[in-house]
Amino acid sequence: DGGITQSPKYLFRKEGQNVTLSCEQNLNHDAMYWYRQDPGQGLRLIYYSQIVNDFQKGDIAEGYSVSREKKESFPLTVTSAQKNPTAFYLCASSIQGISGNTIYFGEGSWLTVV
Amino acid sequence: AQTVTQSQPEMSVQEAETVTLSCTYDTSESNYYLFWYKQPPSRQMILVIRQEAYKQQNATENRFSVNFQKAAKSFSLKISDSQLGDTAMYFCAFMKHWGDDKIIFGKGTRLHILP
Repeated sequence: DGGITQSPKYLFRKEGQNVTLSCEQNLNHDAMYWYRQDPGQGLRLIYYSQIVNDFQKGDIAEGYSVSREKKESFPLTVTSAQKNPTAFYLCASSIQGISGNTIYFGEGSWLTVV
Repeated sequence: AQTVTQSQPEMSVQEAETVTLSCTYDTSESNYYLFWYKQPPSRQMILVIRQEAYKQQNATENRFSVNFQKAAKSFSLKISDSQLGDTAMYFCAFMKHWGDDKIIFGKGTRLHILP
């Protein structure tokens, strides 16, 4: 099935630890995005990538890092510099074309600091 | 820069009633896409409806329809014959038609359908 796969769905992080959230898509989309959502809040953009080996900071990039070595993969690392990482993380991808622009989302990952 | 504003943080309506969620946006682009997404308690983001700015006709999907006013930069969502399963967070989003730019989301409206 085509779609976006995020893993793990639940992740626990100890203080001072780096953790990586995986996002894989088989939709052949060029653009990929990472959003953070806190309880009862909207989506805030962390990083986005329009093309392989290139990415841009979003509104809340501090304490996060990403890579885009392959078109289908856009992992997000939550570093120890991110002081309040407990949140729900959503990965998305999009395609721009003559048939119209569409945004697809993964099922999300819950990160909790213990 | 583009912005999306949802002025209603929370709303409640009785089952079977019609409800309208508001969304306004700001952009200098002439061609773009607007979306409404539903996020139920499962947190899965579900596309409700999509509107292309160059199309005059308002998009509809079963009980969901939009009132797209391009000049006013308004994009409201109407839910007819509301059902308990419509209870969710609803997000309005903007995307340029072409070019390298990010997707902009509003802060969301929490909708409660009451039995």
